[in-house]
Amino acid sequence: SQQGEEDPQALSIQEGENATMNCSYKTSINNLQWYRQNSGRGLVHLILIRSNEREKHSGRLRVTLDTSKKSSSLLITASRAADTASYFCASPQGGSEKLVFGKGTKLTVNP
Amino acid sequence: KAGVTQTPRYLIKTRGQQVTLSCSPISGHRSVSWYQQTPGQGLQFLFEYFSETQRNKGNFPGRFSGRQFSNSRSEMNVSTLELGDSALYLCASSPGRGAGANVLTFGAGSRLTVL
Repeated sequence: SQQGEEDPQALSIQEGENATMNCSYKTSINNLQWYRQNSGRGLVHLILIRSNEREKHSGRLRVTLDTSKKSSSLLITASRAADTASYFCASPQGGSEKLVFGKGTKLTVNP
Repeated sequence: KAGVTQTPRYLIKTRGQQVTLSCSPISGHRSVSWYQQTPGQGLQFLFEYFSETQRNKGNFPGRFSGRQFSNSRSEMNVSTLELGDSALYLCASSPGRGAGANVLTFGAGSRLTVL
């Protein structure tokens, strides 16, 4: 079963614009992670935010977490064509180390 | 250090056959997780092994099985293949305990096509 659900399912923007993706999850979590997947390849870990954190930055990435709303957002600033990929949120389910992924947001950055 | 290595990268099988996929984790990682990815269902968790023991299991039929060896390498097996088993199978390793316990490093995947 999906723990997180990303929104929107697809997003198309121009280079230089910002891209925002949202994720909602169902159960309590101790951390939430974001991953990127280039077409047909393995996923790459981008950033982890813990349940006691509200915001975290890494380069052009900014992640927020609202545990009261069970939601998170990923902001990519000044996007580049190379950012074109699918982005997934993931969180542990049921107190285990098992990571459950959402269905992802497909981001297209047009040059 | 070397990343997660999955073999084979591509394979084609026919219905009823069985398949074994292999995964070599990052050196020092004791946890290996397997996921199935399809366009319709997305990323579905199969199972996770930690120190040769299955620690977590997803909702897949018994045709899907796995194991982990003492060197942390893992294999998964699918028996009596069905058309719906066509998917990208992803292996991921993680420390499994302590800081960054469940931060996954993925392999490139094994793409299985069942005809």
